[in-house]
Amino acid sequence: GAVVSQHPSWVICKSGTSVKIECRSLDFQATTMFWYRQFPKQSLMLMATSNEGSKATYEQGVEKDKFLINHASLTLSTLTVTSAHPEDSSFYICSAQDYRSTDTQYFGPGTRLTVL
Amino acid sequence: QKEVEQNSGPLSVPEGAIASLNCTYSDQGSQSFFWYRQYSGKSPELIMFIYSNGDKEDGRFTAQLNKASQYVSLLIRDSQPSDSATYLCAVRGNGGSQGNLIFGKGTKLSVKP
Repeated sequence: GAVVSQHPSWVICKSGTSVKIECRSLDFQATTMFWYRQFPKQSLMLMATSNEGSKATYEQGVEKDKFLINHASLTLSTLTVTSAHPEDSSFYICSAQDYRSTDTQYFGPGTRLTVL
Repeated sequence: QKEVEQNSGPLSVPEGAIASLNCTYSDQGSQSFFWYRQYSGKSPELIMFIYSNGDKEDGRFTAQLNKASQYVSLLIRDSQPSDSATYLCAVRGNGGSQGNLIFGKGTKLSVKP
């Protein structure tokens, strides 16, 4: 149980394009999903908290107009990196919080984004 | 500023030994504590969580919590080379179940055959 998937697992795109990453909870309903970014040899950095049916809450320093988050259902959240630039290249990881056990977050496998 | 501190390591132990990973946190109101394991290039996976003072055992893993000292640890018995990874300590503050997890920077563990 408590499986979270992400798609795609990796993506390479040209500078200026937009990339959408999907995060799905496969066997539970997630009222809250989180989006993290991790640069090589760095710790996880929380970007935003996504609650189903409401606007995402962004961490300080994260541009909400650049990183668009949609949490349309209890099993799906999407992160769109708009007008991507090479400095956006990173490992993007989502996690989902199981509403039956609200203290536990389960992570997706991550999406490695490379912007050329 | 709520902080979670971990020794970055690397912590090197021989196969079969006990690996001891430590974590301190600054928010006295923290209620929930988690240990995640992250292999290189992969996302974190949950190992254990602990809420109450004392020890909690799960297989080869034991989490220890001391709220008075604001200290949480993870012991890995009979360490195996496959345990080599970065271990992340995460703490949920006093915002209840909706409070965000605050992660430490992780301790890299290397288990030598």
